[in-house]
Amino acid sequence: GAVVSQHPSWVICKSGTSVKIECRSLDFQATTMFWYRQFPKQSLMLMATSNEGSKATYEQGVEKDKFLINHASLTLSTLTVTSAHPEDSSFYICSARDRRGRSTDTQYFGPGTRLTVL
Amino acid sequence: GENVEQHPSTLSVQEGDSAVIKCTYSDSASNYFPWYKQELGKRPQLIIDIRSNVGEKKDQRIAVTLNKTAKHFSLHITETQPEDSAVYFCAAGKGWGSQGNLIFGKGTKLSVKP
Repeated sequence: GAVVSQHPSWVICKSGTSVKIECRSLDFQATTMFWYRQFPKQSLMLMATSNEGSKATYEQGVEKDKFLINHASLTLSTLTVTSAHPEDSSFYICSARDRRGRSTDTQYFGPGTRLTVL
Repeated sequence: GENVEQHPSTLSVQEGDSAVIKCTYSDSASNYFPWYKQELGKRPQLIIDIRSNVGEKKDQRIAVTLNKTAKHFSLHITETQPEDSAVYFCAAGKGWGSQGNLIFGKGTKLSVKP
């Protein structure tokens, strides 16, 4: 149990285009989903916290108009990178927090999406 | 905000030896401390976690200790095996009752040599 999927697993796009990444909790309901960015050989940097039915909370330095987050249901959150530029190339990983009682603190990670902007 | 420091950044041990990774945190309100293992190109996997109401937790070859006063926690891996080679991340958060944000350390690349 506690499986999180992400789609697509990788994407290559031209500069100036927008890219949408989906994060789904497959066998549990997630009150909260998190979006991270990871550069090669570096740590996970929290970008934003996404709560179902409400606006996302962005970390300092993360542009909310550039990284649009929608948490439309308890099993789906989307991250849209708008007007992507080469510096947005990175590994984007989501995680989901199970709302059920056994361990509400635990975050389960998706497999990540490799974004390359040409 | 919370800041998590992790040491060492790289660690190389011989198979069968023990490995210890240490983390410190700054926010005394943090009460949840998970450890994740990430193999190259894969997602982080939770390997063990500890909450602030306990000082130690063990799961087979893996143990975590927490010193709330000193605000540091450590991961101990005994009888290391080549498949333990990966990057390990510690994290700190406020857990239940909060949004559950986790702040991660910079990671430790563990290499276990056969």
